[in-house]
Amino acid sequence: QVQLQESGPGLVEPSETLSLTCAVSGYSITRGYYWGWIRQPPGRGLEWIGTIYHSGTTYYNMSLKSRVTIAVDTSKNQFSLRLSSVTAADTAVYYCARVGQWWYFDYWGQGTLVTVSS
Amino acid sequence: DVQVTQSPSALSASVGDRVTFTCRASQSINNLLAWYQQKPGKAPKLLIYKASTLESGVPSRFSGSGSGTEFTLTISSLQPDDFATYYCQQYNNYLWTFGQGTKVEIK
Repeated sequence: QVQLQESGPGLVEPSETLSLTCAVSGYSITRGYYWGWIRQPPGRGLEWIGTIYHSGTTYYNMSLKSRVTIAVDTSKNQFSLRLSSVTAADTAVYYCARVGQWWYFDYWGQGTLVTVSS
Repeated sequence: DVQVTQSPSALSASVGDRVTFTCRASQSINNLLAWYQQKPGKAPKLLIYKASTLESGVPSRFSGSGSGTEFTLTISSLQPDDFATYYCQQYNNYLWTFGQGTKVEIK
């Protein structure tokens, strides 16, 4: 059974960089599939942040592209998210997920709340 | 980028009702549309993919249809466990977009 688990600081100061890791178990990232990050501000809808392939190829939401970096660490079977120059608008629950065969998100982490505040 | 618009944003319904939600894409997306159910404090759960394929384990009262730019999710007989928020999601050319969501509330 594929499982994903997000981890990282729950509080980030404005203008700093948000960093999260998604640990994958039950499936080797190197076997294929794409892996993504999605976020959800409190009380609002879902926003796709970006996606990465095990080769390291990345695709980003154009509205966030200048601030986002997604990387993969196949040796640890995990991938990561970095979002720079954060503001209060970046406060959200951040989810990691696997992209299924037909480009949907089939396995999700439980989500982690990141609050941007001083 | 392809935009998706969901309607309605919320609806009130009773147990046993047939309910339908709509998702419209700003351009044709080759049926690469998925539907998710989300309950408070939980991650979204995949219901339907490729517009009309039911994910394994999802009750058959859920169905998806549509093509091109207009898609629908139907719950044939609303059950107490179905009160939640539903999102559509499209994929096109390595870009993903979610709809704004439809919240289903108890009438």
